[in-house]
Amino acid sequence: DIQMTQSPSSVSASVGDRVTITCRASQGVSSWLAWYQQKPGKAPKLLIYAASSLQSGVPSRFSGSGSGTDFTLAISSLQPEDFATYYCQQAHSFPLTFGGGTKVEIK
Amino acid sequence: EVQLVESGGDLVQPGGSLRLSCAASGFTFSSYAMNWVRQAPGKGLEWVSGISASGSNPYYADSVKGRFTISRDNSKNTLYLQMNSLRAEDTAVYYCAKVGDSSAYYYRFDWGQGTLVTVSS
Repeated sequence: DIQMTQSPSSVSASVGDRVTITCRASQGVSSWLAWYQQKPGKAPKLLIYAASSLQSGVPSRFSGSGSGTDFTLAISSLQPEDFATYYCQQAHSFPLTFGGGTKVEIK
Repeated sequence: EVQLVESGGDLVQPGGSLRLSCAASGFTFSSYAMNWVRQAPGKGLEWVSGISASGSNPYYADSVKGRFTISRDNSKNTLYLQMNSLRAEDTAVYYCAKVGDSSAYYYRFDWGQGTLVTVSS
């Protein structure tokens, strides 16, 4: 199974800050990686797919990069509505696996 | 607009069974692979099972293999998860998730609102 390791597990940041979250795969997943945002009590929402493609309707302050085993989600200027938990997911092989999540909290 | 509405979640005793359903609308259901993803209280996301568009190819996480069965009825636009031999660790919100396109890769999920399964005596 491919293990997905996210870091940090939590980050405290202020509105306007740049935030980066990393996701490392235990083996190469090419670009078959997605990022999701989840707010408390809600279903996850797709932000990025194919490692760097922005889902339609998602603000351009979100960006993704990487391929192979190392990936990054960046939020260029944190907005109040961005405080949430973020997950990466690999689709290279079964079983599909998610990272453990990164909680972005208000400083 | 894609709509996925889960139902069937309930309180069930350990060792019991439950069947979840996911009613789909707003897209051509028979063209897309579908999945179940769960989230235990206060925990992260765990993929449970997926099934190809035709229903011919099911896939399972090791944690549920042999106990859960995924199926679909393309004539009814409905996805199912039959859950047997339930354990306390199966307690979670179960989400139905549609893959983003008709490629072979299971990601780019659209999600339902989830249904809660509680396994407890």
